[in-house]
Amino acid sequence: QSALTQPASVSGSPGQSITISCTGTSSDVGGFNYVSWYQHLPGKGPKLMIYKVNNRPSGVSNRFSGSKSGNTASLTISGLQAEDEADYYCSSYTNTNAHVVFGGGTKLTVL
Amino acid sequence: QVHLVESGGGLVKPGGSLRLSCAVSGFTFSDYYLNWIRQAPGKGLEWISYISSSGGTLYYADSVMGRFTISRDNAKNSLYLQMNTLRAEDTAVYYCAIEEPGEGFHYWGRGTLVTVSS
Repeated sequence: QSALTQPASVSGSPGQSITISCTGTSSDVGGFNYVSWYQHLPGKGPKLMIYKVNNRPSGVSNRFSGSKSGNTASLTISGLQAEDEADYYCSSYTNTNAHVVFGGGTKLTVL
Repeated sequence: QVHLVESGGGLVKPGGSLRLSCAVSGFTFSDYYLNWIRQAPGKGLEWISYISSSGGTLYYADSVMGRFTISRDNAKNSLYLQMNTLRAEDTAVYYCAIEEPGEGFHYWGRGTLVTVSS
């Protein structure tokens, strides 16, 4: 069981927007503004899409945005494109024994 | 261009040992924090170990504490993971990743597969 809770799957049509939630506790998501989101394609290393809740690394499309409220963080992808189909993981720093915790991952299907 | 390449994975029997390596290029290796993260078949990502830029601070997940040892050689731009007393549940793709403090893992390798099976 992962430390952070994500929906197993979400789907949307091209052009639509989707949101993936990531629920933790006050020991991780709620206690730090250090939530990150990763896109993972088969056979590749994960790619950082969002860091510090709502910051995009250079080169990441502005269709990707992040937010946080309390113990729940969210990743929103607007203007869905076929190339967005992938697994998405959230992560957070934590004040427990672990350095970082991940969510269980969400499979995004573009219909 | 930052490049990370993991190696050393393979098939090992339960109770056996394996040493993973991660060769890094394209940036000032000694300035950055490094981590190992794994993904078991059909499962999500699991952080397992961290090492500070100097190598003086180490963290481990409970699942590998006492069995795995992380280390780095700044002269060789390389990260290592010594894995002992391997179990079937350690079967996974192991990734090395560069951490920017407070920003998560900016760069990842493609991973190396470790299979623990008799």
